[in-house]
Amino acid sequence: KQEVTQIPAALSVPEGENLVLNCSFTDSAIYNLQWFRQDPGKGLTSLLLIQSSQREQTSGRLNASLDKSSGRSTLYIAASQPGDSATYLCALNTGNQFYFGTGTSLTVIP
Amino acid sequence: NAGVTQTPKFRILKIGQSMTLQCTQDMNHNYMYWYRQDPGMGLKLIYYSVGAGITDKGEVPNGYNVSRSTTEDFPLRLELAAPSQTSVYFCASTPSPSGSTDTQYFGPGTRLTVL
Repeated sequence: KQEVTQIPAALSVPEGENLVLNCSFTDSAIYNLQWFRQDPGKGLTSLLLIQSSQREQTSGRLNASLDKSSGRSTLYIAASQPGDSATYLCALNTGNQFYFGTGTSLTVIP
Repeated sequence: NAGVTQTPKFRILKIGQSMTLQCTQDMNHNYMYWYRQDPGMGLKLIYYSVGAGITDKGEVPNGYNVSRSTTEDFPLRLELAAPSQTSVYFCASTPSPSGSTDTQYFGPGTRLTVL
């Protein structure tokens, strides 16, 4: 059974700082890995999707990496802004099912 | 496109009552999912469907039932509500999960409290 862990559970940083969120998983047999953003009381919005054969994906200030051999993915956020405050979840696609991490709650302080 | 819509947004149930959470998508996606999210936790898969007439259990199916009579709709049924089912429920859809570039699209969620 796939186990997905996200560290840290919560993070508070001053505006402008670069930061890294971590996601680790136990089974490398995946189709892809996604990073989602969840705002309080809202659904999930997809940020980045990394295919199993890829090493990283970039979108604006966001960069996600994938290392299947070590069971790790990172989400790098450059020059953080207060609007980045949200919970970030990673999810692994193993075929018919998706396994989610518990999330990292990010607060960017103005 | 409205995307994935869920109703109701909020609901309070008494122990033993039953209800149906509605989910509709207008993107003609084959795959649909129901998740629950408990406070401070990630999402756990309850049931999923790979197309009309086909459903299967996820990680936490006990106490729930689903049906998929059309491509658009995937209702989740709670027959005998219990306090342990207090949670936020999310519906999601995707064209094909094993497609390497296909993301999941989520509804806004239903917040359910069982007292």
